[in-house]
Amino acid sequence: AQTVTQSQPEMSVQEAETVTLSCTYDTSENNYYLFWYKQPPSRQMILVIRQEAYKQQNATENRFSVNFQKAAKSFSLKISDSQLGDTAMYFCAFMKMRGGSEKLVFGKGTKLTVNP
Amino acid sequence: EAQVTQNPRYLITVTGKKLTVTCSQNMNHEYMSWYRQDPGLGLRQIYYSMNVEVTDKGDVPEGYKVSRKEKRNFPLILESPSPNQTSLYFCASKRGGATYEQYFGPGTRLTVT
Repeated sequence: AQTVTQSQPEMSVQEAETVTLSCTYDTSENNYYLFWYKQPPSRQMILVIRQEAYKQQNATENRFSVNFQKAAKSFSLKISDSQLGDTAMYFCAFMKMRGGSEKLVFGKGTKLTVNP
Repeated sequence: EAQVTQNPRYLITVTGKKLTVTCSQNMNHEYMSWYRQDPGLGLRQIYYSMNVEVTDKGDVPEGYKVSRKEKRNFPLILESPSPNQTSLYFCASKRGGATYEQYFGPGTRLTVT
């Protein structure tokens, strides 16, 4: 079974600074997807960024980028130029590419606070 | 507007009183799923459906039922709710095939006393 571990329950950063959220996972699969979801106080689940395991290039979306280390099974999220609106819970998630259930396996989350 | 809707958004009920949380999507998605979110545990899958009349258990199915009679709807049924089912519930949908993004509903906060 796949597991996803987020070792930082809470983090804080000053506005305009850079912060990195950690995520490791365990799987025997070779092809899979990894995601970061943001959950602001509104509770809505918002997809921030995703990475296909077969792609070596790290995904980027504006101020958000990942450091994907497949051999180390590590998938960290870097937020540059942090903004107050980035304050949220962040969940790392895994989905394998085959085998039917297409479910997302989530980590326990990291609560990020951006301070003014 | 493409969306997943859930009703009700908030519900307080008592132990043993049957309830249904509805989920509907307007994107003609084949795949739908229910998750529950609990503090310190992240989101865990309850049930999922790959298409009409095709459902299967996720990681935490005990105490829940689902049905998929129409492509757009995927209700979650609690036949006899208990306090340990107090949680935040999310419905999600996506096109079939692993490459597609899951779209989440706004969540339903359920309290069972």
